[in-house]
Amino acid sequence: DAKTTQPPSMDCAEGRAANLPCNHSTISGNEYVYWYRQIHSQGPQYIIHGLKNNETNEMASLIITEDRKSSTLILPHATLRDTAVYYCARKGGTGNQFYFGTGTSLTVIP
Amino acid sequence: DAMVIQNPRYQVTQFGKPVTLSCSQTLNHNVMYWYQQKSSQAPKLLFHYYDKDFNNEADTPDNFQSRRPNTSFCFLDIRSPGLGDAAMYLCATSRVAGANVLTFGAGSRLTVL
Repeated sequence: DAKTTQPPSMDCAEGRAANLPCNHSTISGNEYVYWYRQIHSQGPQYIIHGLKNNETNEMASLIITEDRKSSTLILPHATLRDTAVYYCARKGGTGNQFYFGTGTSLTVIP
Repeated sequence: DAMVIQNPRYQVTQFGKPVTLSCSQTLNHNVMYWYQQKSSQAPKLLFHYYDKDFNNEADTPDNFQSRRPNTSFCFLDIRSPGLGDAAMYLCATSRVAGANVLTFGAGSRLTVL
């Protein structure tokens, strides 16, 4: 989805927080923001989603700006197993379509 | 465990030879999706079914068709594969309620010779 952009790659030291940004400046008021990650040759795996408020689950935290034009996925203590491609996505169209952003390849460094 | 299963995991076909990829789910989800993912790119939505209602994306080529004979199964047919159709094809499902999330299968990797 050309409307949802992410930096192509990022590095993070093991044990540190990984902060992955996403720009979704054209998101509409009722569209949720989702985050997925994909390990090589596997299907994407759901991480977290939100609409307006910040969210936290056992995997990550999601910070959404007040104007909803961008969000940040936070992995609080990155491990080597968190090395993957992370996609933010929005739910658009008639309501059931999910469109993926450009993706960020995160490398966690020992 | 409830899941989304795709077959085959790897498919090799010749240029122009039709191919069918299958997807089955035990989640009883209303919506089934097909995504195309080329190397180093994000998944691109081709189409989806909401129950029996088919929804095609505007930029999906006519070469790609889909069938959903029942709730559990969905097929992707590529009528005349070209070299540019080589990709991973991902099936996903979701409920229809509020902030529904996608559950993906492992994907079918298509090679076109």
